[in-house]
Amino acid sequence: GAGVSQSPRYKVAKRGQDVALRCDPISGHVSLFWYQQALGQGPEFLTYFQNEAQLDKSGLPSDRFFAERPEGSVSTLKIQRTQQEDSAVYLCASSLAGGTSGSQHFGDGTRLSIL
Amino acid sequence: QKEVEQNSGPLSVPEGAIASLNCTYSDRVSQSFFWYRQYSGKSPELIMSIYSNGDKEDGRFTAQLNKASQYVSLLIRDSQPSDSATYLCAVNQGTASKLTFGTGTRLQVTL
Repeated sequence: GAGVSQSPRYKVAKRGQDVALRCDPISGHVSLFWYQQALGQGPEFLTYFQNEAQLDKSGLPSDRFFAERPEGSVSTLKIQRTQQEDSAVYLCASSLAGGTSGSQHFGDGTRLSIL
Repeated sequence: QKEVEQNSGPLSVPEGAIASLNCTYSDRVSQSFFWYRQYSGKSPELIMSIYSNGDKEDGRFTAQLNKASQYVSLLIRDSQPSDSATYLCAVNQGTASKLTFGTGTRLQVTL
Protein backbone atom coordinates (compact mmCIF):
# COMPACT_ATOMS: atom_id res chain seq x y z
CA GLY A 1 0.00 0.00 0.00
CA ALA A 2 0.90 3.65 -0.21
CA GLY A 3 1.35 4.22 3.49
CA VAL A 4 1.88 2.50 6.80
CA SER A 5 -1.20 0.51 7.71
CA GLN A 6 -2.13 -0.37 11.29
CA SER A 7 -4.91 -2.52 12.62
CA PRO A 8 -7.14 -2.44 14.49
CA ARG A 9 -7.71 1.34 14.65
CA TYR A 10 -9.38 0.97 18.03
CA LYS A 11 -9.10 -1.78 20.60
CA VAL A 12 -10.90 -2.07 23.90
CA ALA A 13 -9.79 -4.78 26.28
CA LYS A 14 -10.40 -5.71 29.88
CA ARG A 15 -7.54 -5.51 32.32
CA GLY A 16 -5.59 -8.75 32.25
CA GLN A 17 -6.39 -9.65 28.63
CA ASP A 18 -3.73 -10.05 25.96
CA VAL A 19 -3.81 -7.85 22.86
CA ALA A 20 -2.01 -7.92 19.50
CA LEU A 21 -1.50 -4.87 17.32
CA ARG A 22 -0.49 -5.16 13.68
CA CYS A 23 1.64 -2.92 11.49
CA ASP A 24 2.14 -3.23 7.73
CA PRO A 25 4.95 -0.86 6.71
CA ILE A 26 5.49 0.89 3.41
CA SER A 27 6.65 -1.66 0.87
CA GLY A 28 10.43 -1.91 0.73
CA HIS A 29 11.04 -0.03 3.95
CA VAL A 30 13.84 -1.67 5.88
CA SER A 31 13.28 -0.08 9.25
CA LEU A 32 10.20 -0.35 11.43
CA PHE A 33 9.54 1.42 14.73
CA TRP A 34 6.88 1.21 17.43
CA TYR A 35 6.03 4.23 19.57
CA GLN A 36 3.56 4.81 22.38
CA GLN A 37 1.77 8.15 22.62
CA ALA A 38 -0.08 9.19 25.75
CA LEU A 39 -2.64 11.97 25.61
CA GLY A 40 -0.99 15.38 25.34
CA GLN A 41 2.50 13.93 24.97
CA GLY A 42 4.88 13.26 22.13
CA PRO A 43 5.41 9.69 20.93
CA GLU A 44 7.77 7.61 23.09
CA PHE A 45 10.02 5.01 21.47
CA LEU A 46 9.32 1.36 22.21
CA THR A 47 11.31 -0.79 19.79
CA TYR A 48 13.08 -0.85 16.40
CA PHE A 49 13.55 -3.49 13.70
CA GLN A 50 15.89 -3.51 10.77
CA ASN A 51 14.42 -6.13 8.46
CA GLU A 52 13.60 -9.05 10.77
CA ALA A 53 16.21 -8.18 13.40
CA GLN A 54 15.07 -6.39 16.53
CA LEU A 55 18.00 -4.04 17.07
CA ASP A 56 16.66 -1.94 19.94
CA LYS A 57 13.97 -2.81 22.45
CA SER A 58 15.13 -0.44 25.15
CA GLY A 59 11.82 1.42 25.23
CA LEU A 60 9.58 -1.54 26.01
CA PRO A 61 8.17 -0.68 29.47
CA SER A 62 8.01 -4.22 30.83
CA ASP A 63 8.37 -7.87 29.89
CA ARG A 64 4.64 -7.87 29.18
CA PHE A 65 5.45 -6.11 25.90
CA PHE A 66 6.77 -8.17 23.00
CA ALA A 67 7.27 -7.32 19.34
CA GLU A 68 8.19 -9.37 16.32
CA ARG A 69 8.75 -8.96 12.60
CA PRO A 70 9.49 -12.54 11.49
CA GLU A 71 9.73 -12.01 7.73
CA GLY A 72 11.04 -8.47 7.74
CA SER A 73 7.75 -6.92 6.68
CA VAL A 74 4.61 -7.00 8.87
CA SER A 75 5.18 -6.51 12.58
CA THR A 76 3.07 -7.36 15.59
CA LEU A 77 3.23 -5.70 19.00
CA LYS A 78 1.80 -7.93 21.71
CA ILE A 79 0.89 -6.82 25.21
CA GLN A 80 0.21 -9.53 27.75
CA ARG A 81 -1.88 -9.16 30.91
CA THR A 82 -2.85 -5.60 30.01
CA GLN A 83 -2.97 -2.91 32.68
CA GLN A 84 -4.83 0.40 32.68
CA GLU A 85 -1.56 2.30 32.25
CA ASP A 86 -1.16 0.58 28.87
CA SER A 87 -4.01 2.72 27.52
CA ALA A 88 -2.48 4.90 24.81
CA VAL A 89 -2.16 5.28 21.06
CA TYR A 90 0.39 2.85 19.61
CA LEU A 91 2.07 4.21 16.51
CA CYS A 92 4.07 2.30 13.95
CA ALA A 93 6.53 4.05 11.66
CA SER A 94 8.74 2.85 8.84
CA SER A 95 11.70 4.29 6.99
CA LEU A 96 13.46 3.30 3.81
CA ALA A 97 16.92 3.05 5.34
CA GLY A 98 18.40 2.37 8.71
CA GLY A 99 20.67 4.74 10.56
CA THR A 100 20.04 8.27 11.69
CA SER A 101 19.07 10.01 8.47
CA GLY A 102 15.98 8.09 7.43
CA SER A 103 12.75 10.00 7.65
CA GLN A 104 10.09 8.01 9.47
CA HIS A 105 6.52 7.81 8.18
CA PHE A 106 3.77 7.00 10.63
CA GLY A 107 0.63 4.94 10.41
CA ASP A 108 -2.70 6.12 11.82
CA GLY A 109 -2.11 4.26 15.05
CA THR A 110 -4.10 1.91 17.24
CA ARG A 111 -5.96 3.53 20.12
CA LEU A 112 -5.91 1.03 22.98
CA SER A 113 -8.25 1.42 25.91
CA ILE A 114 -7.95 -0.89 28.91
CA LEU A 115 -11.02 -1.06 31.11
CA GLN B 1 15.94 18.11 31.93
CA LYS B 2 13.98 16.58 29.07
CA GLU B 3 16.03 15.51 26.06
CA VAL B 4 13.88 17.52 23.63
CA GLU B 5 12.02 20.55 24.92
CA GLN B 6 9.22 22.54 23.37
CA ASN B 7 6.84 25.14 24.72
CA SER B 8 3.47 23.40 24.89
CA GLY B 9 1.57 26.57 23.94
CA PRO B 10 -0.97 27.24 22.70
CA LEU B 11 0.74 29.63 20.33
CA SER B 12 -1.88 31.86 18.78
CA VAL B 13 -1.16 33.79 15.57
CA PRO B 14 -3.50 35.66 13.23
CA GLU B 15 -4.11 34.38 9.72
CA GLY B 16 -1.38 35.55 7.35
CA ALA B 17 1.22 36.06 10.08
CA ILE B 18 4.47 34.13 10.62
CA ALA B 19 4.35 31.40 13.24
CA SER B 20 7.65 30.62 14.96
CA LEU B 21 8.02 27.29 16.75
CA ASN B 22 11.09 26.51 18.81
CA CYS B 23 12.80 23.39 20.10
CA THR B 24 15.95 22.74 22.12
CA TYR B 25 17.74 19.43 22.60
CA SER B 26 20.24 18.22 25.14
CA ASP B 27 22.39 15.65 23.29
CA ARG B 28 25.21 17.38 21.42
CA VAL B 29 25.83 14.39 19.16
CA SER B 30 22.32 14.57 17.67
CA GLN B 31 22.52 14.38 13.90
CA SER B 32 19.07 14.60 12.35
CA PHE B 33 16.13 16.83 13.15
CA PHE B 34 12.53 16.59 12.08
CA TRP B 35 9.30 18.54 12.38
CA TYR B 36 6.03 16.64 12.39
CA ARG B 37 2.52 18.08 12.28
CA GLN B 38 -0.20 16.24 14.17
CA TYR B 39 -3.86 17.07 13.88
CA SER B 40 -6.06 16.06 16.79
CA GLY B 41 -6.76 12.33 16.68
CA LYS B 42 -4.45 11.80 13.73
CA SER B 43 -0.93 10.42 13.31
CA PRO B 44 2.21 12.59 13.02
CA GLU B 45 2.92 13.78 9.48
CA LEU B 46 6.47 14.63 8.46
CA ILE B 47 6.76 18.19 7.16
CA MET B 48 10.47 19.03 7.38
CA SER B 49 13.83 17.40 7.97
CA ILE B 50 17.14 19.19 8.50
CA TYR B 51 20.62 17.79 9.00
CA SER B 52 23.10 20.68 8.80
CA ASN B 53 23.36 24.14 10.29
CA GLY B 54 21.44 26.92 8.59
CA ASP B 55 18.06 27.27 6.97
CA LYS B 56 16.06 24.88 4.83
CA GLU B 57 13.00 26.16 3.00
CA ASP B 58 10.08 24.18 1.58
CA GLY B 59 7.12 26.23 0.45
CA ARG B 60 5.73 28.19 3.40
CA PHE B 61 7.91 26.26 5.84
CA THR B 62 11.49 27.07 6.89
CA ALA B 63 13.47 24.93 9.30
CA GLN B 64 16.45 26.48 11.06
CA LEU B 65 19.20 24.54 12.83
CA ASN B 66 21.94 25.83 15.14
CA LYS B 67 23.93 22.92 16.50
CA ALA B 68 26.19 25.15 18.63
CA SER B 69 23.14 26.42 20.51
CA GLN B 70 21.35 23.04 20.29
CA TYR B 71 18.35 24.77 18.85
CA VAL B 72 16.01 24.01 15.97
CA SER B 73 13.05 26.06 14.85
CA LEU B 74 10.22 26.00 12.35
CA LEU B 75 8.81 29.10 10.70
CA ILE B 76 5.44 28.99 8.97
CA ARG B 77 4.83 31.96 6.69
CA ASP B 78 1.37 33.18 5.70
CA SER B 79 -0.22 31.03 8.41
CA GLN B 80 -3.59 29.52 7.52
CA PRO B 81 -6.35 28.17 9.78
CA SER B 82 -5.53 24.72 8.34
CA ASP B 83 -2.08 25.02 9.95
CA SER B 84 -3.74 24.78 13.38
CA ALA B 85 -2.30 21.60 14.84
CA THR B 86 0.33 20.33 17.25
CA TYR B 87 3.88 20.55 15.92
CA LEU B 88 6.30 17.91 17.19
CA CYS B 89 10.06 18.36 17.15
CA ALA B 90 11.96 15.08 16.84
CA VAL B 91 15.67 14.31 17.09
CA ASN B 92 17.86 11.36 16.12
CA GLN B 93 20.45 11.15 18.87
CA GLY B 94 23.96 9.97 18.01
CA THR B 95 23.96 6.57 16.37
CA ALA B 96 20.48 5.63 17.50
CA SER B 97 17.86 5.27 14.79
CA LYS B 98 14.96 6.00 17.10
CA LEU B 99 13.41 9.44 17.28
CA THR B 100 13.11 11.34 20.54
CA PHE B 101 10.14 13.70 20.49
CA GLY B 102 9.27 16.83 22.38
CA THR B 103 5.82 17.16 23.87
CA GLY B 104 4.72 19.33 20.96
CA THR B 105 3.57 22.93 20.56
CA ARG B 106 -0.09 23.54 19.85
CA LEU B 107 -0.54 26.22 17.18
CA GLN B 108 -3.80 28.10 16.73
CA VAL B 109 -4.23 30.28 13.65
CA THR B 110 -7.06 32.72 14.20
CA LEU B 111 -9.21 34.40 11.58
